[in-house]
Amino acid sequence: DAGITQSPRHKVTETGTPVTLRCHQTENHRYMYWYRQDPGHGLRLIHYSYGVKDTDKGEVSDGYSVSRSKTEDFLLTLESATSSQTSVYFCAISESGSYNSPLHFGNGTRLTVT
Amino acid sequence: GESVGLHLPTLSVQEGDNSIINCAYSNSASDYFIWYKQESGKGPQFIIDIRSNMDKRQGQRVTVLLNKTVKHLSLQIAATQPGDSAVYFCAEAYRGAQKLVFGQGTRLTINP
Repeated sequence: DAGITQSPRHKVTETGTPVTLRCHQTENHRYMYWYRQDPGHGLRLIHYSYGVKDTDKGEVSDGYSVSRSKTEDFLLTLESATSSQTSVYFCAISESGSYNSPLHFGNGTRLTVT
Repeated sequence: GESVGLHLPTLSVQEGDNSIINCAYSNSASDYFIWYKQESGKGPQFIIDIRSNMDKRQGQRVTVLLNKTVKHLSLQIAATQPGDSAVYFCAEAYRGAQKLVFGQGTRLTINP
């Protein structure tokens, strides 16, 4: 699992509530990513980070924010959860951040918004 | 475990046979390709990658073939084992891209 821990592993929440998912890595990698995985859409990038306090948007960033105050932790926040955000969320890390190097993924958080 | 795709293409093979999983990529500018394996309830696991200056690359029991002319990628798994049952994704990227672009995946099932 490349030293990546995601928490919680499962979460059920109600529409309109805030939710924060945590990704913790022990690899000291600079680059971290949040993806969501949905049937019919595959894996899509939400946000990524290229260093402490340095983040940028991915292709499906609306409704999500991120923070990275320490190298090892990357937080994904849904400010006001909606049913369309029901998904499986994966954190990934990369040592180089180069487009031609592999990402290594955690085991995901299954989020259900009722 | 998580459902990664309710209607994924499925490949069924006999245990011990070789498996070939195919992937068509979309962007002719892509020059980096990667295969992931995803077991139920787990995240994608890196298998093997290949750059466009190569046609073939081998790993342990796996081979990736790249045909740039027809924009096709394949993953060959030798002597398929029950532990190979999973969903397999290909992904592509090009210089300047911020991310890998993932395919939908193929579900590999192993018949005893």
